[in-house]
Amino acid sequence: NAGVTQTPKFRVLKTGQSMTLLCAQDMNHEYMYWYRQDPGMGLRLIHYSVGEGTTAKGEVPDGYNVSRLKKQNFLLGLESAAPSQTSVYFCASSRFGQGLIEQYFGPGTRLTVT
Amino acid sequence: GESVGLHLPTLSVQEGDNSIINCAYSNSASDYFIWYKQESGKGPQFIIDIRSNMDKRQGQRVTVLLNKTVKHLSLQIAATQPGDSAVYFCAEKAADQGAQKLVFGQGTRLTINP
Repeated sequence: NAGVTQTPKFRVLKTGQSMTLLCAQDMNHEYMYWYRQDPGMGLRLIHYSVGEGTTAKGEVPDGYNVSRLKKQNFLLGLESAAPSQTSVYFCASSRFGQGLIEQYFGPGTRLTVT
Repeated sequence: GESVGLHLPTLSVQEGDNSIINCAYSNSASDYFIWYKQESGKGPQFIIDIRSNMDKRQGQRVTVLLNKTVKHLSLQIAATQPGDSAVYFCAEKAADQGAQKLVFGQGTRLTINP
């Protein structure tokens, strides 16, 4: 199993450009999450999904959109990138179950917006 | 509101010594806690978790202690090795149990001195 993979690993955008980050998991997990991590800070939840076709806002959703058309994929979109969105983005997934909420993380995408 | 914080942002220990990383949480209703290790340039990796009905849980070289009275969590690493150098995050399960969301702390950077 590859676990959780993220594409791309690095990206540089100009202000106002758009892009989509792809997350894929092969563990048949129901739940998927997108986080951002800024220097010296923990992870903050952007959006999450509890199943195919469903999405919900997390702690810092502004400026981002997501889609979960297939169970194994979770896409994070930036419609008009801003320098404040320079960050490292992590995707995670977890299975549904009582107490079984360990989240498995991908390797991250480093995004710079100039 | 929910918040998870760490007492110290950095910790330096000698190789072979034991390390203790502390974490305070604010939501007395949280019922699940988890520790992650993040090496430079990688995504967080699961270390150990504990439910609120337990005070202590042991893994391989790691022990998590939970003190619900003072809302404090600690991670003990025995006989630290160079490979233990990383940033360690604690996280708690958010009150919204439907989505299994985690709230992450700021992180503690552990440095092992030879």
